[in-house]
Amino acid sequence: QSVLTQPPSLSGTPGQRVTISCSGSPSTVGSNSVTWYQQLPGAAPKLLIYNNDQRPSGVPDRFSASKSGTSASLAIAGLQSEDEAVYYCASWDDSPRRSWFFGGGTKLTVL
Amino acid sequence: QVQLVQSGAEVKKPGSSVKVSCRASGGTFSQNIISWLRQAPGQGPEWMGGVIPIFGSAKYAQKFQGRATITADQSTTTAYLELSSLSGDDTAVYFCARHVVPAGMPYYYYYHMDVWGTGTTVTVSS
Repeated sequence: QSVLTQPPSLSGTPGQRVTISCSGSPSTVGSNSVTWYQQLPGAAPKLLIYNNDQRPSGVPDRFSASKSGTSASLAIAGLQSEDEAVYYCASWDDSPRRSWFFGGGTKLTVL
Repeated sequence: QVQLVQSGAEVKKPGSSVKVSCRASGGTFSQNIISWLRQAPGQGPEWMGGVIPIFGSAKYAQKFQGRATITADQSTTTAYLELSSLSGDDTAVYFCARHVVPAGMPYYYYYHMDVWGTGTTVTVSS
């Protein structure tokens, strides 16, 4: 069981807006920034969002994210077929474990 | 732009060790923090630990303490992960990744990872 909890799967149609949730704890999401990654099959994770809501250059503004308390969410507007991927949230843990933890991933299917 | 190129796939016997490399090009290696993560089939990434090349110090996740050794060679801008006492549970794709340290901030692992390596498949089988 992952330290960060995400829904295992989600689906949407082209043009739709979807939201992926990520639930953590006071020592993870509650105390540290959340990072979101997109992973296509056979590829390394790609940075999508950092510091809770910041997009690196090159990431379309269709992708947005927010954090509140011990939960975070990633929203994808105007869904496109190329958005079909697995999305992971990640956060540092301030507990004595002092490690990075990732969610189990959400498989997004574009119907 | 920093690129991280990893060594090729490995097949190992249970009980043996594996050493994976991660060569950085572009950017300033000594200003980076490099972490190692692994991803078993169908699972999310798992952080194993990392190294701060400028200090030569490493940090490990509790699960890998004593079994993983992470080092960095500034002269070749390469980071290494060595994992010993391998078992089938260690079969995974291993990634290195760079942490972005904001200018003037202390070096530590809690900054996000922006660039990931090409990945190295390690298969442990008798």
